[in-house]
Amino acid sequence: QKEVEQNSGPLSVPEGAIASLNCTYSDRVSQSFFWYRQYSGKSPELIMSIYSNGDKEDGRFTAQLNKASQYVSLLIRDSQPSDSATYLCAVNMRSGGYQKVTFGTGTKLQVIP
Amino acid sequence: DAGITQSPRHKVTETGTPVTLRCHQTENHRYMYWYRQDPGHGLRLIHYSYGVKDTDKGEVSDGYSVSRSKTEDFLLTLESATSSQTSVYFCAIKSTGANYGYTFGSGTRLTVV
Repeated sequence: QKEVEQNSGPLSVPEGAIASLNCTYSDRVSQSFFWYRQYSGKSPELIMSIYSNGDKEDGRFTAQLNKASQYVSLLIRDSQPSDSATYLCAVNMRSGGYQKVTFGTGTKLQVIP
Repeated sequence: DAGITQSPRHKVTETGTPVTLRCHQTENHRYMYWYRQDPGHGLRLIHYSYGVKDTDKGEVSDGYSVSRSKTEDFLLTLESATSSQTSVYFCAIKSTGANYGYTFGSGTRLTVV
């Protein structure tokens, strides 16, 4: 089982729709969760972080965390073509004697005009 | 802008040659990281640093070494480059504050022929 798992996609949604991106993780005691957006040929950029169960909203983005189910998601409302990118889920987890951030392989989102 | 730059942006080198990639930051961040990104594998941690002369291995450290003699510079060296080290390399710093994710440099695309 991968430590952080995402569906690679592509996930295609029409412009104006809600895009739902999902991520599961293996370390039950993980405390910090992040979503990054990566445009083709560019570096990842942080868009959301979440630490507590429930929802966290920032503009058109909502991160949702369910620690009991080891599940974190990102909702993008009113999707725009400029949202087309790969979205990386990242989880801060234990590795040996230290904490490290582990990334999923990303979900490619395509917003169709 | 977090003030993190990587050099070079692109490099082609021959198998067996040593290669050094540079990461430079201007904001006195303590933690710095080197990742490689490959299709199907996502971002994988090579080495990280938690201070001047303080470094440790990540999950894919074989064939790589690092040095940090100054807070602002974190160097990644491929001791004898192999074709399996063809990849995109990202340096990252750990942000401070409430949204303490990583900020990534623009990346170095390395091709070993």
